[in-house]
Amino acid sequence: EVQLVESGGGLVQPGGSLRLSCAASGFSFSSHWMYWVRQAPGKGLEWVANIKQDGSETYYVDSVKGRFTISRDNAKNSLYLQMNSLRAEDTAVYYCAKLRLWSYYAMDVWGQGTTVTVSS
Amino acid sequence: QSALTQPPSASGSPGQSVTISCTGTNSDVGGYNYVSWYQQHPGKAPKLMIYEVTKRPSGVPDRFSGSKSGNTASLTVSGLQAEDEADYYCTSYAGSNNLVFGGGTKLTVL
Repeated sequence: EVQLVESGGGLVQPGGSLRLSCAASGFSFSSHWMYWVRQAPGKGLEWVANIKQDGSETYYVDSVKGRFTISRDNAKNSLYLQMNSLRAEDTAVYYCAKLRLWSYYAMDVWGQGTTVTVSS
Repeated sequence: QSALTQPPSASGSPGQSVTISCTGTNSDVGGYNYVSWYQQHPGKAPKLMIYEVTKRPSGVPDRFSGSKSGNTASLTVSGLQAEDEADYYCTSYAGSNNLVFGGGTKLTVL
């Protein structure tokens, strides 16, 4: 079964750091672009970052540039999101998702999400 | 990176058709055929319904279809069923390796 499982969410104070993980199984992880997408409480979806198959290219939404770092370990079938200098507006459910092969920007498998709450 | 514009809500009776619009600019929706649509039920992860404007992944009912005209993309759900009640989000490539989502549309089956 193709599966993505996020972990690492929690409550953190403003200015703090958190590292999210996403464990992949059931597919060739190293063959896919991977994404992080977030959803603030009661709000819509927002693309956060994505990373190429070999990790050589990474892209971020402007609001997280310089604070968040996406990375991957293909040997461990894992995706990560290092989040520093967290702000209240980063509070959201964070989803990891894989890009459908041979498609443009279509995320066909999503994890269940992990909740990040930034509050004092 | 402005969000795409979707109507907050849409509704239809079982068996009817409903169309949800997604309006952007010629820098995103109008500039690329890279529009996707996602369905999200409460408390669940999004599900890919349509990609590259008109393509439907296997397993998605053919009641779901996508189209685009100019800067506006559309998702049409034909033969509405109770299980179609959900939030729907469009997304488009916006150039410079950016992806932008719409604000979402809550579809109610009356």
